[in-house]
Amino acid sequence: KQEVTQIPAALSVPEGENLVLNCSFTDSAIYNLQWFRQDPGKGLTSLLLIQSSQREQTSGRLNASLDKSSGRSTLYIAASQPGDSATYLCAVRDMDSNYQLIWGAGTKLIIKP
Amino acid sequence: NAGVTQTPKFRVLKTGQSMTLLCAQDMNHEYMYWYRQDPGMGLRLIHYSVGEGTTAKGEVPDGYNVSRLKKQNFLLGLESAAPSQTSVYFCASTRRGVNYGYTFGSGTRLTVV
Repeated sequence: KQEVTQIPAALSVPEGENLVLNCSFTDSAIYNLQWFRQDPGKGLTSLLLIQSSQREQTSGRLNASLDKSSGRSTLYIAASQPGDSATYLCAVRDMDSNYQLIWGAGTKLIIKP
Repeated sequence: NAGVTQTPKFRVLKTGQSMTLLCAQDMNHEYMYWYRQDPGMGLRLIHYSVGEGTTAKGEVPDGYNVSRLKKQNFLLGLESAAPSQTSVYFCASTRRGVNYGYTFGSGTRLTVV
């Protein structure tokens, strides 16, 4: 059964730093991996979708990488800003649970001004 | 472009009351999902639908019913609300196939007293 882990559970860094959030999964038989952001009391906003055949995807200051063989994905945030403060979730669409996403528990990110 | 719209955004119910949560999407997506999110539990799938007129159980279906009479709408019903159903409910949708990301609604915060 697929399991998705996000480490660390919480992270606090000063504004301006580059940072990396980690997501690991136990079964490499996946279709894709999606990164979301959730602000307190709000819904989930899709950040990046990376297919199993891709190595990375970029959107603005965000870059997501995928190493399927090692079961790892990273979300790189460049030049962090206080507005980046949120909980970041990764979710895997794996081949055994075709219609469903398998979720990590999230990383709560705080960017200090 | 509205995306996924959930109504209502907030609701307080008394134990034993019934209600229906509505999810509407305007992206012509075939697949739709209902999740609940609780502190420390992450996102859990309640029910999902892979097309008009079809529904299936997710991880935590007890106490809920769903209907998908129209492709763009997915209804979540609580027949007899219980305090354990106090949660934030999210609807999501995606296109048929495995290569697409999910789009989420902004959520419904439900309190059962």
